[in-house]
Amino acid sequence: DGGITQSPKYLFRKEGQNVTLSCEQNLNHDAMYWYRQDPGQGLRLIYYSQIVNDFQKGDIAEGYSVSREKKESFPLTVTSAQKNPTAFYLCATRDRANQETQYFGPGTRLLVL
Amino acid sequence: AQSVTQLGSHVSVSEGALVLLRCNYSSSVPPYLFWYVQYPNQGLQLLLKYTSAATLVKGINGFEAEFKKSETSFHLTKPSAHMSDAAEYFCAVSGGSNYKLTFGKGTLLTVNP
Repeated sequence: DGGITQSPKYLFRKEGQNVTLSCEQNLNHDAMYWYRQDPGQGLRLIYYSQIVNDFQKGDIAEGYSVSREKKESFPLTVTSAQKNPTAFYLCATRDRANQETQYFGPGTRLLVL
Repeated sequence: AQSVTQLGSHVSVSEGALVLLRCNYSSSVPPYLFWYVQYPNQGLQLLLKYTSAATLVKGINGFEAEFKKSETSFHLTKPSAHMSDAAEYFCAVSGGSNYKLTFGKGTLLTVNP
């Protein structure tokens, strides 16, 4: 079954804790993205990666970190420096062969205990 | 720089009525434009896209949108609303070498029986 998988579906973070959200794809797409969604705010770009071992900050990168060691995987770490982490996090890939269209995973909802 | 404005954070229609969701954009380069739909607690699903071919674009579930360069608009329409159309809809613009997507804040569509 092809596509984008995100895990876990729900994640709880304690004060001062770092947590990592997983994003895996088997679409063979080079570019991957992380977005944060808050009610009434649309989606905002956190980080993106256009190729393995390379990534760039998006519009709201503070308090987040990423890695891109494999084409299939683009994990996002929410660090303790992110003071308001409660949100819905969406991972996407971009298909160069289909007019640069972005496709989205099912999302992870992060809640603070 | 690019931006998207979706007029109306909430639109309510009766089942069988016309659906019109408005989107205006600004972009310093020829844009790619997208409409996505999101059902509660799910990821985004691509409805349709404009990528400089035909200005009237047909998508899934009976939706279509018309690109009007002179008005910088990309409004989404459907002739007859169905209960299953109730969801949140996002307009997005992409441009530049990194193909970053900039989203509007979304329009929640309610369909009344």
